[in-house]
Amino acid sequence: AQRVTQPEKLLSVFKGAPVELKCNYSYSGSPELFWYVQYSRQRLQLLLRHISRESIKGFTADLNKGETSFHLKKPFAQEEDSAMYYCALPTLYNQGGKLIFGQGTELSVKP
Amino acid sequence: KAGVTQTPRYLIKTRGQQVTLSCSPISGHRSVSWYQQTPGQGLQFLFEYFSETQRNKGNFPGRFSGRQFSNSRSEMNVSTLELGDSALYLCASSWSPGSHQPQHFGDGTRLSIL
Repeated sequence: AQRVTQPEKLLSVFKGAPVELKCNYSYSGSPELFWYVQYSRQRLQLLLRHISRESIKGFTADLNKGETSFHLKKPFAQEEDSAMYYCALPTLYNQGGKLIFGQGTELSVKP
Repeated sequence: KAGVTQTPRYLIKTRGQQVTLSCSPISGHRSVSWYQQTPGQGLQFLFEYFSETQRNKGNFPGRFSGRQFSNSRSEMNVSTLELGDSALYLCASSWSPGSHQPQHFGDGTRLSIL
């Protein structure tokens, strides 16, 4: 069964420290993965998708098929990065846009 | 361009009642998905609509239903409400139902069951 696992409920770092939010998945086939972010009092929004291989707000994520991981990384955390982060995996293409979300990791960046 | 709009923002109901939630997608978006968010279960997929047809349904009882109108607006209905239905219900829209399409979320409707 398709599944997304985010092992850390809370990750607390100091400003300027590197950040890695872990995401592991189980999927039969070639997955397409997303990271969504929810800042305080804001709606859930797309942060980045692996297919575009872009860096958004300094965050990057590399798909590692061997380890079935899609960890989100940023070399120097900022206080404004504090938010709830969700890794998401779409189901098979012919099942449309249904997303399977991980449980989320709360990132807290301390000054 | 206006984002996804969900109404109402908050709702309080009692057990046994029914409720209808509304979602207006971003202009031009034709696919609408619904999710339930709870502290215990996280974000869980309810159903997806495209061109007024339900394309996909999550693992929820038949008390949860939805529909989509010709203007792509969508409603979801929950009948015979239970305490466990208390949750934040999120609507998301995208251009089409393809899995590569990023979804744009609304602020949600917070449903509380007394």
